Amino acid sequence: DTAVSQTPKYLVTQMGNDKSIKCEQNLGHDTMYWYKQDSKKFLKIMFSYNNKELIINETVPNRFSPKSPDKAHLNLHINSLELGDSAVYFCASSQDFTGASTDTQYFGPGTRLTVL
Amino acid sequence: DAKTTQPTSMDCAEGRAANLPCNHSTISGNEYVYWYRQIHSQGPQYIIHGLKNNETNEMASLIITEDRKSSTLILPHATLRDTAVYYCIVRPSPYNTNAGKSTFGDGTTLTVKP
Repeated sequence: DTAVSQTPKYLVTQMGNDKSIKCEQNLGHDTMYWYKQDSKKFLKIMFSYNNKELIINETVPNRFSPKSPDKAHLNLHINSLELGDSAVYFCASSQDFTGASTDTQYFGPGTRLTVL
Repeated sequence: DAKTTQPTSMDCAEGRAANLPCNHSTISGNEYVYWYRQIHSQGPQYIIHGLKNNETNEMASLIITEDRKSSTLILPHATLRDTAVYYCIVRPSPYNTNAGKSTFGDGTTLTVKP
């Protein structure tokens, strides 16, 4: 069973387009995250949701808008795509954001976005 | 988050122990040391974490120095499938308002050779 899944795995699009990446976790976790990994392999957190509520919103252009319809899903919508948005985007989830002594994150396989 | 520094790359012979160091000299008292790895084209995978004491699980051992300014991840019997980028990150206590804001650094590329 896939714990954290993302679709699509690859996404190639033109500058200026709007696209969405979907993420689902079947682990029953309360918290989900979006990370961006650039060409230098630097993995940086973008957003985090806990029980459908936004709790982390790092310095990300407002062209990026996360949406969590329920706690098992966290989608990422990107408006007016730019060349610099090309990267691999990883979704992750963890059981609990504040209560447990561990906050082990489980990552999805990633979505490779290429903006032409 | 406290910053971490790791060697860019390391090699290890198959079957031998791989010792991956990490410096986190600015770590504060309630921050945990976490290790993840990322095998090529996959998402990061949790390995182990610790606060003060040494830890061991089925994947690895984590040795944290007494002053907590550095740690070492040990893969006791490295296999070819352990070839990956290994990230050492320092994360605030889950009870801290910065909890979850972990950014992965450059990591160490470990290459296990036959």
